[in-house]
Amino acid sequence: DGGITQSPKYLFRKEGQNVTLSCEQNLNHDAMYWYRQDPGQGLRLIYYSQIVNDFQKGDIAEGYSVSREKKESFPLTVTSAQKNPTAFYLCASSMEWESGNTIYFGEGSWLTVV
Amino acid sequence: LAKTTQPISMDSYEGQEVNITCSHNNIATNDYITWYQQFPSQGPRFIIQGYKTKVTNEVASLFIPADRKSSTLSLPRVSLSDTAVYYCLVGDEYNNNDMRFGAGTRLTVKP
Repeated sequence: DGGITQSPKYLFRKEGQNVTLSCEQNLNHDAMYWYRQDPGQGLRLIYYSQIVNDFQKGDIAEGYSVSREKKESFPLTVTSAQKNPTAFYLCASSMEWESGNTIYFGEGSWLTVV
Repeated sequence: LAKTTQPISMDSYEGQEVNITCSHNNIATNDYITWYQQFPSQGPRFIIQGYKTKVTNEVASLFIPADRKSSTLSLPRVSLSDTAVYYCLVGDEYNNNDMRFGAGTRLTVKP
């Protein structure tokens, strides 16, 4: 089935550790995104990438890093510099069709600092 | 990307029609309007998209007035399973690098 796969679903991080969230898509989409969602809040854009080997900071990029070495993969690393990383993380990708953009999301990953 | 404004929350009862309005006063000529639905601990999913007038699919209708400065998502005969957060997103097919969501509208459907 086509879609976006995020892993792991649940992840625990000790303070001072870096952790990497995986995002893979087989939709052949050019653009990919990472969002952070805190409980009861909306989605905030962390990073986005329009093409391979290129990515841009979103609104809350500090403490995060990404790479886009392959079209289908856009991993997010939560570094120790991110002081409050406990949140729900969503990866997404978008397609262009002749009458508009549509964005597709993975099922999300919960990150908890212990 | 045009900034959007939606009500924070809405309550409804089963079987009622629910209308959620989104304001996007600075919408650009090439922008489309897309609505998404999000359940807790899941990624948002596409509901409906439109450019002007009215669009209808199997789950919702989207009404867009002539000036396109707002849009209304209409959910007919809601059920408890429609309890979710609804987001409106405005953007164009040439600019997929700025997918910023607003706070969304939390719809609660009561028995």
